[in-house]
Amino acid sequence: KQEVTQIPAALSVPEGENLVLNCSFTDSAIYNLQWFRQDPGKGLTSLLLIQSSQREQTSGRLNASLDKSSGRSTLYIAASQPGDSATYLCAGGLSNDYKLSFGAGTTVTVRA
Amino acid sequence: GAVVSQHPSRVICKSGTSVKIECRSLDFQATTMFWYRQFPKQSLMLMATSNEGSKATYEQGVEKDKFLINHASLTLSTLTVTSAHPEDSSFYICSAEGLAGGKNEQFFGPGTRLTVL
Repeated sequence: KQEVTQIPAALSVPEGENLVLNCSFTDSAIYNLQWFRQDPGKGLTSLLLIQSSQREQTSGRLNASLDKSSGRSTLYIAASQPGDSATYLCAGGLSNDYKLSFGAGTTVTVRA
Repeated sequence: GAVVSQHPSRVICKSGTSVKIECRSLDFQATTMFWYRQFPKQSLMLMATSNEGSKATYEQGVEKDKFLINHASLTLSTLTVTSAHPEDSSFYICSAEGLAGGKNEQFFGPGTRLTVL
């Protein structure tokens, strides 16, 4: 079973600062890794999906990397804005069953 | 494309009643759907894998007789919480497995907030 860990649990930064969110996983036979955003009381918004054959994905101010050998993924958010305040979850799956294991999330607060 | 809906979005019920939650893939067929549960300030925990036309596979610690899953078609899976109790109050989220760019990906529904009084 894939175990996923996210550190830190919470992060507060001033507006304009770049955000770096970390995710680690235990099984390098990862099928894909997804980053999600969750606002309080809401469902998940998929941000980026990295397949096992890829090393990174980019969308606007977001960039996610995947290093299978070290069991890590990093989500970078450039020039943070107050609207980026949310909980960010990473989830990884194994190739044999497509089940996703979620990390506990990093709650981000961007101060205006 | 790849939209997943859930109904209802919010439900409040009395202890001892049963509640059915629907998960639909609106524009694609999903042979596999997943049901997750999220308690306040915690992450999503997989409850079960729902396969069209066969019995669901439950994760360790999840009572199959309490959480009944039916996946009768390629676009619909239902989760019934039987004889609900306050400790079943949670946010229930489903996902459906589909193809995107030639690769399998899970697409998530908006979630159902269950409150048992």
